[in-house]
Amino acid sequence: DIQMTQSPSSLSASVGDRVTITCRASQSISSYLNWYQQKPGKAPKLLIYAASSLQSGVPSRFSGSGSGTDFTLTISSLQPEDFATYYCQQSYSTLITFGPGTKVDIK
Amino acid sequence: EVQLLESGGGLVQPGGSLRLSCAASGFTFSSYAMSWVRQAPGKGLEWVSAISGSGGSTYYADSVKGRFTISRDNSKNTLYLQMNSLRAEDTAVYYCAKHTMVQVVKGYMDVWGKGTTVTVSS
Repeated sequence: DIQMTQSPSSLSASVGDRVTITCRASQSISSYLNWYQQKPGKAPKLLIYAASSLQSGVPSRFSGSGSGTDFTLTISSLQPEDFATYYCQQSYSTLITFGPGTKVDIK
Repeated sequence: EVQLLESGGGLVQPGGSLRLSCAASGFTFSSYAMSWVRQAPGKGLEWVSAISGSGGSTYYADSVKGRFTISRDNSKNTLYLQMNSLRAEDTAVYYCAKHTMVQVVKGYMDVWGKGTTVTVSS
């Protein structure tokens, strides 16, 4: 199975901060990496697919980059509604795996 | 509007069985693969199982292989998850999610249901 790791596991940031979350795969997954946002008690929401493509309706302050094994999710200017947990997920393999998540909370 | 609505969750004893359903609407159900993803209390997301649009290909996480069975009825626009030999560690919110292609691999999950809660306890 392809293992996914994320760093940091949590971070505290202020409104307006630039935030970067890293995701690493245990083997190359090309660009088959997706990012989801989840708020407490809610279903996950797709933000970024294929490493760098912005899902329709998602604000442009979210961006993704990377290929192979190393990927990043960047929020250019953190907004109050962005405080949530973020998960990466690989779809290179039929055995889908998620990263452990990164919780972004208010400093 | 594309919608997914899960049902069938509840309280079940260890060793028991439960069948979850996911009713889909607003899209051509048979054209898309589907997955079940679960989240134990206070934990992260765990992919459980996936099925191709035709239903001909199915995939399972090691943690549920041999105990859970995914299926779909494209005439009823409904996805199922039959869960047998349930364990305490299967306690979670179970989400169904729509993929963006008929095949499971290389896609992503763009629409999610609100989830149904399964509790395994005596």
